[in-house]
Amino acid sequence: AQSVTQPDIHITVSEGASLELRCNYSYGATPYLFWYVQSPGQGLQLLLKYFSGDTLVQGIKGFEAEFKRSQSSFNLRKPSVHWSDAAEYFCAVEGAGNNRKLIWGLGTSLAVNP
Amino acid sequence: DGGITQSPKYLFRKEGQNVTLSCEQNLNHDAMYWYRQDPGQGLRLIYYSQIVNDFQKGDIAEGYSVSREKKESFPLTVTSAQKNPTAFYLCASRMDRYGDTQYFGPGTRLTVL
Repeated sequence: AQSVTQPDIHITVSEGASLELRCNYSYGATPYLFWYVQSPGQGLQLLLKYFSGDTLVQGIKGFEAEFKRSQSSFNLRKPSVHWSDAAEYFCAVEGAGNNRKLIWGLGTSLAVNP
Repeated sequence: DGGITQSPKYLFRKEGQNVTLSCEQNLNHDAMYWYRQDPGQGLRLIYYSQIVNDFQKGDIAEGYSVSREKKESFPLTVTSAQKNPTAFYLCASRMDRYGDTQYFGPGTRLTVL
């Protein structure tokens, strides 16, 4: 069965520090991969997505993600975190034949210390 | 401005009452979705619709109902059969193409007293 795992439920970093949020997926082929961000009490916003091509994908708000086929991973990174990056981050996948449904990870909550 | 509207932002109901959550989009998207969000459980799919007058059950459809009479509207009714309806509800839409981005509304927080 297809699945998405975000191993870290909660991460705390200091402002200005680098950030990496992990995402592992289980799927037979390369699916579409997404990262979304959710501020408290708000809807979700797409940060970036990947299907093919360059395995390093640039997104909004200074985020990037790297696809590693051998590790079935799609980790999200940011070189220098800002206090406004505190939010919930969700990884999702869509495989062909999913009837347009996304499979979601449980999310990683990011706190940023001043 | 194009986008997805959910109303109201906060909703309170007494136990045993049905309640309908509104979702409207003016993005001309074919597909619409309803998710339920509880702390620590991520997003769980309730219902989705890929075309007008058709919809499919998601993973947790029991106690919920939907309709899709217009392309831009996908209301969700939380019935009295839903055992634990208090949650944050998110509506989303997208073009019905593989890999297209899902766009989300601001959500409705439902509290059943």
